[in-house]
Amino acid sequence: GENVEQHPSTLSVQEGDSAVIKCTYSDSASNYFPWYKQELGKRPQLIIDIRSNVGEKKDQRIAVTLNKTAKHFSLHITETQPEDSAVYFCAASRGLSNFGNEKLTFGTGTRLTIIP
Amino acid sequence: GAVVSQHPSRVICKSGTSVKIECRSLDFQATTMFWYRQFPKQSLMLMATSNEGSKATYEQGVEKDKFLINHASLTLSTLTVTSAHPEDSSFYICSASTVTARGADTQYFGPGTRLTVL
Repeated sequence: GENVEQHPSTLSVQEGDSAVIKCTYSDSASNYFPWYKQELGKRPQLIIDIRSNVGEKKDQRIAVTLNKTAKHFSLHITETQPEDSAVYFCAASRGLSNFGNEKLTFGTGTRLTIIP
Repeated sequence: GAVVSQHPSRVICKSGTSVKIECRSLDFQATTMFWYRQFPKQSLMLMATSNEGSKATYEQGVEKDKFLINHASLTLSTLTVTSAHPEDSSFYICSASTVTARGADTQYFGPGTRLTVL
């Protein structure tokens, strides 16, 4: 099955600087890669996702890059703010199947702390 | 749009009792619903995948007779933890997905249920 590795496990960044979180996956059939932000005790919230037909996607201060050949994808947060502090999870999926939506395999998470 | 609710948000029960958790998609019909378990400071671990009207597919190591999943409609799935024990204490989160203009893969998560078994 799919295996998703995520690094680093913790990351501290000065407010205003950029943060980068990296993930690798093992299943070459995976074609959907979302990123979730989870605050303590709350639900994971989708912040950005990318499908395998593109190499980069940007939404304001957040961007995701995908390298299908190397099987890795990264989350980039620029101009970080204190409210960006949370745990971030990457995930990978094969997308649709004949039975419905394929499951997500999550990375181990990165605890991001923005230092004011 | 794409709101998923979960009930209850918190439950404390005695060892040996059963607990039912409901997951509802409020403003869309969910093709597929997923149940996850999350222990403190850990990632989300998928327990099972269910499609409306069919039996759930359980992940390896998850006891299907202990964690009963029913997906009776396109907007409701339930997880019943039977004969709960302290080691079942965890944060249980459901998610729902459907075909939308964004694509067919997006999962939207419920707020989670914190289960404490005494």
